[in-house]
Amino acid sequence: DVKVTQSSRYLVKRTGEKVFLECVQDMDHENMFWYRQDPGLGLRLIYFSYDVKMKEKGDIPEGYSVSREKKERFSLILESASTNQTSMYLCASSPGGRQPQHFGDGTRLSIL
Amino acid sequence: AQSVAQPEDQVNVAEGNPLTVKCTYSVSGNPYLFWYVQYPNRGLQFLLKYITGDNLVKGSYGFEAEFNKSQTSFHLKKPSALVSDSALYFCAVRAPTNAGKSTFGDGTTLTVKP
Repeated sequence: DVKVTQSSRYLVKRTGEKVFLECVQDMDHENMFWYRQDPGLGLRLIYFSYDVKMKEKGDIPEGYSVSREKKERFSLILESASTNQTSMYLCASSPGGRQPQHFGDGTRLSIL
Repeated sequence: AQSVAQPEDQVNVAEGNPLTVKCTYSVSGNPYLFWYVQYPNRGLQFLLKYITGDNLVKGSYGFEAEFNKSQTSFHLKKPSALVSDSALYFCAVRAPTNAGKSTFGDGTTLTVKP
């Protein structure tokens, strides 16, 4: 089974801090994704990576950056955390083509 | 552009009754369609997909979905609901040319009452 592991389930940070969310997948998937999930808004794509060092902005990239130095690891960075970034963050991976995405269990991030 | 609509925020059914969770989509060309389920404090789990072929696809936990091209719909169904089916369900669409990126609906909360 594919395993997507997010480093923290719950995280509390302060406004203005630089925050790192880490995600690792163990199936050599080409594609990796970061989403945020808010009640009533579904899943919104923040960033997408289709290869090492390759990235593409999603629907809501403002205030975020990403890093993919190795194929299995995809990091989401909040450059200067703000309270409106309090949310559930979900990482996913997929081999692309006709295959579905595989999700981690999420990081519930609170910015105080 | 691709988009998905899940017209119902909430669906309530009694245990043992059939259930339907609705999904309509918009995409250029032939779509890839997916259903996922999310239990509390967990990530999304893949249930089933339609890529091509038979319009009725079967997936995990007894769920199935019917692809209707003329109505651009991909409704999720189950003949007999269980209390344990209570969860948040997401429909997703992807155009084959869209580099692996799917668009998700806003989700439908299914509650199955004993």
